[in-house]
Amino acid sequence: QVQLVQSGAEVKKPGASVKVSCKTSGYTFADYYMHWVRQAPGQGLEWMGWVNPNSGDTSYSQKFQGRVTMTRDTSITTAYMDLSSLTSDDTAVYFCAREGATLRHCDYWGQGTLVTVSS
Amino acid sequence: QSALTQPASVSGSPGQSITISCTGTSSDVGGYNYVSWYQQHPGKAPKLMIYDVSNRPSGVSNRFSGSKSGNTASLTISGLQAEDEADYYCNSFTDKSNPYVFGTGTKVTVL
Repeated sequence: QVQLVQSGAEVKKPGASVKVSCKTSGYTFADYYMHWVRQAPGQGLEWMGWVNPNSGDTSYSQKFQGRVTMTRDTSITTAYMDLSSLTSDDTAVYFCAREGATLRHCDYWGQGTLVTVSS
Repeated sequence: QSALTQPASVSGSPGQSITISCTGTSSDVGGYNYVSWYQQHPGKAPKLMIYDVSNRPSGVSNRFSGSKSGNTASLTISGLQAEDEADYYCNSFTDKSNPYVFGTGTKVTVL
């Protein structure tokens, strides 16, 4: 069965960077785009970007351009999201989510990773 | 780029039907049949309920249905059950600078 398992919670200081991983199994990793979505406490969902695991191509939300890097390691079927220059506004749960075969929606989601930014 | 507009809350009694709206523009909801809906229980990851406006993934109850008219998409839950109490988010593909946008979210309460 398809599984997306994310790395554990992180606590970071302002100005630092965080790297969240998303280990996948149960499907052909290279065949499905991986999206990253975040949710601040008590707030809604916010799309951050996607990575094409086959080519490494990426597309980022303008809001995060220059601060986010999405990568993948096909040898271990894992996707990564790196966010730099953290501020308290980046405190949120970060989800990875696989784009469905028929495109433009996400059919499987990771469990989420809480990133807390605090001095 | 603004989020799609959803009502903050919708409520209904068990067995009733409710409808959640998701209003965008001709650049997103109105321009593409790529509207999806997600259910999220507290502390959990979102779950895909509807994709491509009206398609249900395998395993999702047929009590959930989706539609679209102009720039507004809708999710209808019929035969409301206690387990349907959750937050619901719409999402659309867009031709703006960011290719995807979520709705503001709707809290569904089962009375």
